[in-house]
Amino acid sequence: GAGVSQTPSNKVTEKGKYVELRCDPISGHTALYWYRQSLGQGPEFLIYFQGTGAADDSGLPNDRFFAVRPEGSVSTLKIQRTERGDSAVYLCASSLSDRGADSPLHFGNGTRLTVT
Amino acid sequence: QKEVEQDPGPLSVPEGAIVSLNCTYSNSAFQYFMWYRQYSRKGPELLMYTYSSGNKEDGRFTAQVDKSSKYISLFIRDSQPSDSATYLCAIRVWRSGGYQKVTFGTGTKLQVIP
Repeated sequence: GAGVSQTPSNKVTEKGKYVELRCDPISGHTALYWYRQSLGQGPEFLIYFQGTGAADDSGLPNDRFFAVRPEGSVSTLKIQRTERGDSAVYLCASSLSDRGADSPLHFGNGTRLTVT
Repeated sequence: QKEVEQDPGPLSVPEGAIVSLNCTYSNSAFQYFMWYRQYSRKGPELLMYTYSSGNKEDGRFTAQVDKSSKYISLFIRDSQPSDSATYLCAIRVWRSGGYQKVTFGTGTKLQVIP
């Protein structure tokens, strides 16, 4: 079946601009996560959604970052007034919401954001 | 102190070699350990997981956890060029509210030379 889909795969923007990154999770997965992966680093947690609500946004670096999931499926990560330090790969993952061992995170291939 | 520490490498080995990848973690309460593999320009994919001390084997891959020393390892036997990727160790914690918080190491970049 289809995996997690992220669009665009690449985004180049100028410093100060606004960007939106989209994530389409696996059908039936109610849990959705955003991670950020800088060059040479592992993914770092940004925000978690259970259904439509953001249950944990403790990883968002500042108030320029915001994410929504209005219908409990597709999610959009929004970054205002982009800075060069925001350049990274933004990964989305989804999982089943139960606590079973068979609910690993399934990642998309990410959006590579470059702020010039 | 980071929750998970991992040597970033890079690590270069000849085809057929045994590869050993290692991580340490800081909190003895951690119980769930995972290894993800990430090919270039792709998302991480779960390779193996374990929640107890000892070894877990899956084909050419063996995951090992030593909770007394807070050390986790991944061994790859008969390494193949297709194993060339970045390997990320990770710990998973279940949060109140019933969701998982996964913390990753920095990843070790492995190259298997034919």
